[in-house]
Amino acid sequence: EAGVAQSPRYKIIEKRQSVAFWCNPISGHATLYWYQQILGQGPKLLIQFQNNGVVDDSQLPKDRFSAERLKGVDSTLKIQPAKLEDSAVYLCASSSRGTGEETQYFGPGTRLLVL
Amino acid sequence: AQSVTQLDSHVSVSEGTPVLLRCNYSSSYSPSLFWYVQHPNKGLQLLLKYTSAATLVKGINGFEAEFKKSETSFHLTKPSAHMSDAAEYFCVVSGSTNAGKSTFGDGTTLTVKP
Repeated sequence: EAGVAQSPRYKIIEKRQSVAFWCNPISGHATLYWYQQILGQGPKLLIQFQNNGVVDDSQLPKDRFSAERLKGVDSTLKIQPAKLEDSAVYLCASSSRGTGEETQYFGPGTRLLVL
Repeated sequence: AQSVTQLDSHVSVSEGTPVLLRCNYSSSYSPSLFWYVQHPNKGLQLLLKYTSAATLVKGINGFEAEFKKSETSFHLTKPSAHMSDAAEYFCVVSGSTNAGKSTFGDGTTLTVKP
């Protein structure tokens, strides 16, 4: 089966610009996650969707970050305006039902550099 | 609340010697515990997971981990390291009653010397 797809793989922008990342989860997976992985740290959950509803966005900086999952399939994560500290790898993952026991399947990530 | 502490940020072993990567966790719920591996320029991949069944869990590539509730630990081991094991390893705790939210440790970089 096809894995989790993400694009772009790399992005370089200047601070205060906007950027968007796209994720296509594994077919049939109800749960989609966006993580931020800063160099030297573990992934931090930004937002979790169950179908097209938000389950958890407690660590999403809502003044600049937004995410949507229209029709419960693809998802887009946007940053506007970007700050230097947003430089990180943004990981998308999906799982079948979103219970804590499930394996999450990760995409290759989008590496963002903010100058 | 839940948290994960990976006790070593870097571990270096010689090829053919045992590997031990240490992980302690804290959770208010009955946790599920995972180890994921991240090779350079590749996505995170599941090594193994504990979900309240057998406390000794076997994973891919000869890795295993033991869940010890009394010590709140979930250490990852392998009897004999291979060069291809060099990667970043993440311990993850997830709660079954908090929407399955996962918390990652900060990772352990494993170096394997020839």
